[in-house]
Amino acid sequence: EVQLLESGGGLVQPGGSLRLSCAASGFTFSSYAMSWVRQAPGKGLEWVSGISGSGDTTYYADSVKGRFTISRDNSKNTLYLQMTSLRAEDTAVYYCAKDFSSLILMSDYWGQGTLVTVSS
Amino acid sequence: QLVLTQSPSASASLGASVRLTCTLSTGHNNYAIAWHQQQPEKGPRFLMKLNSDGSQSKGDGIPGRFLGSSSGAARYLTISSLQSEDEADYYCQTWGTGIAVFGGGTQLTVL
Repeated sequence: EVQLLESGGGLVQPGGSLRLSCAASGFTFSSYAMSWVRQAPGKGLEWVSGISGSGDTTYYADSVKGRFTISRDNSKNTLYLQMTSLRAEDTAVYYCAKDFSSLILMSDYWGQGTLVTVSS
Repeated sequence: QLVLTQSPSASASLGASVRLTCTLSTGHNNYAIAWHQQQPEKGPRFLMKLNSDGSQSKGDGIPGRFLGSSSGAARYLTISSLQSEDEADYYCQTWGTGIAVFGGGTQLTVL
């Protein structure tokens, strides 16, 4: 059974940093791309970032490019999202998602999400 | 530019059928999409991957009441024998070179 468990969310001040983690199990982690998707309160889903199965290739939405860094540790079956220079508009539930294959950024499993609140 | 367009809302009666539409932007008619369901206060759930030729692969435990179909730039999700638990937001998703895109979502109300 595929399981994705996010952690690391919380309250952070504008301009601050936070690192999210996603522990994966139930599949061969290194064989699949992974994505982070967020949902601001009362809004729709927004793709944030993706990473290939090997970790060699990363992708970012324009809204977070230069501020967020996605990475993965295939030896630990864990996905990360390092978030810096956080803004109020980054407030959202952040979901970790498993993608269809090593290079396809389309998701077939989701975590339960972790809430990030950016506020002073 | 890769864009997915969905109607903001839809409604249908308990036991009836409803068809939701996701439209790909011009020039992207051959793209596959995924349909996701998000029930109130829950995380998203993958329903199916839908190809341009109408072939589909469903997620774990997705009942046969959920069917996908394709026509040109349109990708459809038909839900038959509507149940109260089908009341949810439905999102389509696709991907391109270095980017993934979601539609704005359709809020389905079961009357």
